[in-house]
Amino acid sequence: EAEVAQSPRYKITEKSQAVAFWCDPISGHATLYWYRQILGQGPELLVQFQDESVVDDSQLPKDRFSAERLKGVDSTLKIQPAELGDSAMYLCASSQRQGAGNTEAFFGQGTRLTVV
Amino acid sequence: AQSVTQLDSQVPVFEEAPVELRCNYSSSVSVYLFWYVQYPNQGLQLLLKYLSGSTLVKGINGFEAEFNKSQTSFHLRKPSVHISDTAEYFCAVRDVYNFNKFYFGSGTKLNVKP
Repeated sequence: EAEVAQSPRYKITEKSQAVAFWCDPISGHATLYWYRQILGQGPELLVQFQDESVVDDSQLPKDRFSAERLKGVDSTLKIQPAELGDSAMYLCASSQRQGAGNTEAFFGQGTRLTVV
Repeated sequence: AQSVTQLDSQVPVFEEAPVELRCNYSSSVSVYLFWYVQYPNQGLQLLLKYLSGSTLVKGINGFEAEFNKSQTSFHLRKPSVHISDTAEYFCAVRDVYNFNKFYFGSGTKLNVKP
């Protein structure tokens, strides 16, 4: 069964350091989402891609966060410099284009980030 | 923008008892509705979805949900819960006229007690 792959699963970093997360969506999925989930809360959208283009990054803290999906396939989310408040689960999800079949988002296992 | 409200942050229930987790959303115009389940340190897994048609939707693990357009609700139910159902449950809306964005509720922690 096809899955969304994320790495690493866990990351501990010191504040002010740089950190990067990688996501490989299900093959053929045009839409890719990065969510941040703080413990005890629902997922919050950071950035949404349609193919290689950013559709929505209105909630992405652009002074320290960046995301790219250069070839419209896998994606990287970077934080530089990391702050204590960035400690959270970072979830990647993908979905097909509207009308292409499945309508749900498929999630990866997430990356648990701890900033110390 | 859509908003999703899950009215209960925590629901304790005894094993084999019925349960209902409540979800309300802001607008029923051109949306799809979903329930996801999340186990500790895991991603979200789809339980069920409503696209159109019958308002009663059945999902995995014996869960079902009912779409109510007039009340803009999509409550999740299970007639008899198991210990293994202990997890966090998220209601979500996909807005098909707004770049297919997903909006999530804040989650309901279901705690099944023996």
